[in-house]
Amino acid sequence: QKEVEQDPGPLSVPEGAIVSLNCTYSNSAFQYFMWYRQYSRKGPELLMYTYSSGNKEDGRFTAQVDKSSKYISLFIRDSQPSDSATYLCAMSELGGNNRLAFGKGNQVVVIP
Amino acid sequence: GAGVSQSPSNKVTEKGKDVELRCDPISGHTALYWYRQSLGQGLEFLIYFQGNSAPDKSGLPSDRFSAERTGGSVSTLTIQRTQQEDSAVYLCASSLAYRGREQYFGPGTRLTVT
Repeated sequence: QKEVEQDPGPLSVPEGAIVSLNCTYSNSAFQYFMWYRQYSRKGPELLMYTYSSGNKEDGRFTAQVDKSSKYISLFIRDSQPSDSATYLCAMSELGGNNRLAFGKGNQVVVIP
Repeated sequence: GAGVSQSPSNKVTEKGKDVELRCDPISGHTALYWYRQSLGQGLEFLIYFQGNSAPDKSGLPSDRFSAERTGGSVSTLTIQRTQQEDSAVYLCASSLAYRGREQYFGPGTRLTVT
């Protein structure tokens, strides 16, 4: 079982729809939960991170973490064509080598 | 300010040759990381440098892979006797000390081994 599971299936939504992405994980030592956005042929760009369980909102983006279920989510409201990208979840333990464990990513296409 | 830069952006090499990939982290970032992104495996951690401490090499897939960091800044990832399975995008990231939750990535080097 991989540490982080993210169903890599592509997702197409119409402009203005809510995009919902999620990951599950098996390592209970993970304390930080990140979402990265990656455009084609570019490096991943940090969108937001959450420490432990809870919700965090940043503009149109909301991240949720449920440590009891080992389940994290990212919601994108009022999606725009510019949101079309691959979204990667990542996680790390507290301290140590700060190694990020990534999911495989979801390719999101927002159709105008 | 300037972000993480990597060179070359693309590298095509023949099987068995050695390659060197370079990373320039964000100024002031003492932590530097190398990851590999391949189609089948996603993003995988390779190695971590923090200041002058000994690097954490726990993610290096074989002894053909090595990395060094000179002067606490620029880093070079070296792959010896390249194999076709080494073909991937090699990404470098940096962060402030002990703020590994905020890693900033470079654009990557796309390595193709023929």
